[in-house]
Amino acid sequence: EPEVTQTPSHQVTQMGQEVILRCVPISNHLYFYWYRQILGQKVEFLVSFYNNEISEKSEIFDDQFSVERPDGSNFTLKIRSTKLEDSAMYFCASSQDRNSGNTIYFGEGSWLTVV
Amino acid sequence: EDKVVQSPLSLVVHEGDTVTLNCSYEVTNFRSLLWYKQEKKAPTFLFMLTSSGIEKKSGRLSSILDKKELFSILNITATQTGDSAIYLCAVELNDMRFGAGTRLTVKP
Repeated sequence: EPEVTQTPSHQVTQMGQEVILRCVPISNHLYFYWYRQILGQKVEFLVSFYNNEISEKSEIFDDQFSVERPDGSNFTLKIRSTKLEDSAMYFCASSQDRNSGNTIYFGEGSWLTVV
Repeated sequence: EDKVVQSPLSLVVHEGDTVTLNCSYEVTNFRSLLWYKQEKKAPTFLFMLTSSGIEKKSGRLSSILDKKELFSILNITATQTGDSAIYLCAVELNDMRFGAGTRLTVKP
C-alpha cells in the first residue's frame, strides 16, 4: 500500500537553529499538509499546499515556518529559528484531491526536540 | 471559532465490552468528518463521513454522523486489547481540525 514517508524520524536541535523536515507524499497525490502534535495535546493543522503554493495556513504557521516542494517528490517544512515550544511531533499528510471521499494519509511523523 | 469536542477524554474497559465514543462540532464550511486511530505515532484512517444517518462499518467498528445535531459517534463492539489507542475525530473544513482525542484502554 502506498504510504507517506518522513525523515528524520527524530531530531534534536539547539534553540535558534534551523530545521528542515522532509516528506515524500504518495506519488499521485496533489494536496500536501503539515500538522503538529505537542506531547499530550491535540493534533494541530499547520499548512496545506497545492499547485506549488500554500492554500491554507493556521495562526501557528508564522514567519518562522516555510514549506517547499523542491522537486517532484519531496515536500519540506522549514523552521527558521527553532524555539523550545516548537518541540512536537510533526506529521506530513497528503490526499489525492480536496473532494469529499478522499482520504488524507499521514506519515509516521518526525519527532522534533528543541533543547 | 471552529470547535471539535470529543468525549470522554479517557475510557477504560474490559475485553468484550462495547464502547461509544462521541464527537461534536461547531464549524463553518463543513466538508466531512473523519475518525482516526492513533497508537504510537501517525493517525491511521478509520472512517470518513459526509452524509447524515448513513452508518459506516468496518469489522467491529462503526460510525454515524448527524449533521443536524452536529455530532458523530464511533462504536467498537467486542473490544480487544489491540483496540487500545487514542481515537481522534477530525472535521474537514478548508483545513482539518482535530479534537483532543479519546484515550481508550482495553484491559484483558
